[in-house]
Amino acid sequence: DAGVTQSPTHLIKTRGQQVTLRCSPISGHKSVSWYQQVLGQGPQFIFQYYEKEERGRGNFPDRFSARQFPNYSSELNVNALLLGDSALYLCASSLAPGYGTYEQYFGPGTRLTVT
Amino acid sequence: SQELEQSPQSLIVQEGKNLTINCTSSKTLYGLYWYKQKYGEGLIFLMMLQKGGEEKSHEKITAKLDEKKQQSSLHITASQPSHAGIYLCGADMRGGSQGNLIFGKGTKLSVKP
Repeated sequence: DAGVTQSPTHLIKTRGQQVTLRCSPISGHKSVSWYQQVLGQGPQFIFQYYEKEERGRGNFPDRFSARQFPNYSSELNVNALLLGDSALYLCASSLAPGYGTYEQYFGPGTRLTVT
Repeated sequence: SQELEQSPQSLIVQEGKNLTINCTSSKTLYGLYWYKQKYGEGLIFLMMLQKGGEEKSHEKITAKLDEKKQQSSLHITASQPSHAGIYLCGADMRGGSQGNLIFGKGTKLSVKP
């Protein structure tokens, strides 16, 4: 069975541009979460979606937005890119929300570089 | 201050040696997850612990959650070069379906052949 997939693998953007990252969860998983990981740190929570609805939002500016589609795939959008947005963006999927209940599986990540 | 503390920050061991990584919080951990990450890559799920006193093993890796659900340890027996990487603990510290994972900064493990 395929795991969590993310695209693209790498991306280079210029300050002020906009970017869209994509995630496909494991088949049967309905919850998708997005995390940002900067070098040397643990991942930081950005969003969680379940059944196409936002279920949680981390401490990130409004430049960050996301959505979930009927097939449970998800997109993360970042507008007006800043140098500080350079990071590895990780997507995780689970059967449902409830981090203490369900196993969370992560994708390989999208490496975003903002110049 | 960091809500989830990992120690040590880095570890270099000789192949065949045992090692332990700790993950500590001052708050109750409703779910504790251990992941392994190769540099710049995604997180590989190792184990999830939910109940106080719970212990799980997979191959040569054993993870435990203490009775108070505030500390977890990851123990590797007879380490191999394939165990090298960054080990991350993540935890749900609020409980319920609205929670999200808080991560430690990771422990970088190097195994010398």
